[in-house]
Amino acid sequence: DAMVIQNPRYQVTQFGKPVTLSCSQTLNHNVMYWYQQKSSQAPKLLFHYYDKDFNNEADTPDNFQSRRPNTSFCFLDIRSPGLGDAAMYLCATSHVDEKLFFGSGTQLSVL
Amino acid sequence: GQNIDQPTEMTATEGAIVQINCTYQTSGFNGLFWYQQHAGEAPTFLSYNVLDGLEEKGRFSSFLSRSKGYSYLLLKELQMKDSASYLCAVRASYNTDKLIFGTGTRLQVFP
Repeated sequence: DAMVIQNPRYQVTQFGKPVTLSCSQTLNHNVMYWYQQKSSQAPKLLFHYYDKDFNNEADTPDNFQSRRPNTSFCFLDIRSPGLGDAAMYLCATSHVDEKLFFGSGTQLSVL
Repeated sequence: GQNIDQPTEMTATEGAIVQINCTYQTSGFNGLFWYQQHAGEAPTFLSYNVLDGLEEKGRFSSFLSRSKGYSYLLLKELQMKDSASYLCAVRASYNTDKLIFGTGTRLQVFP
């Protein structure tokens, strides 16, 4: 089935150790998003891509970066994870102006 | 600024009807979405409103009043599996693809 796939489902990293989360899609959507969601909070948009055009939210920390090498793949890099970065990271895709399809998320723990 | 308000928690009984309200104040408006999110899982799409009125889809209906900045999600014939968080999200502009999410309403359905 066409879908949005995130790997891994659970990721544990150490304080300060770089980590990369991955997302792939078979929907051929031109927009891809990364959201951060902490417990009982709203998903918070970190970045989104319209094709290769990168859009960074003003309040996204510099510690977070993203890459989209092609239509299907998108990566979230956390350069130096802190304890406050422990959260669920949600990847989503859409056509322009249409609904978002979410992946199953990566739950990040920082020790 | 952008603001989306929902009640934090609601409870209801199996078989009953529940209405979850959402009010929004955003710089623009280009559609409102409702998503369902079970604990530890990704949000799944429920409904989309861009024009005023009621959209019905099986047991779920969603209503929008753009002049009042108001929407509600109506769930009928509640089932235990409907226990989840319900997220209201607004696309705040015509020239952006991003969705702004509310913090969600956690619904508990009791037998």
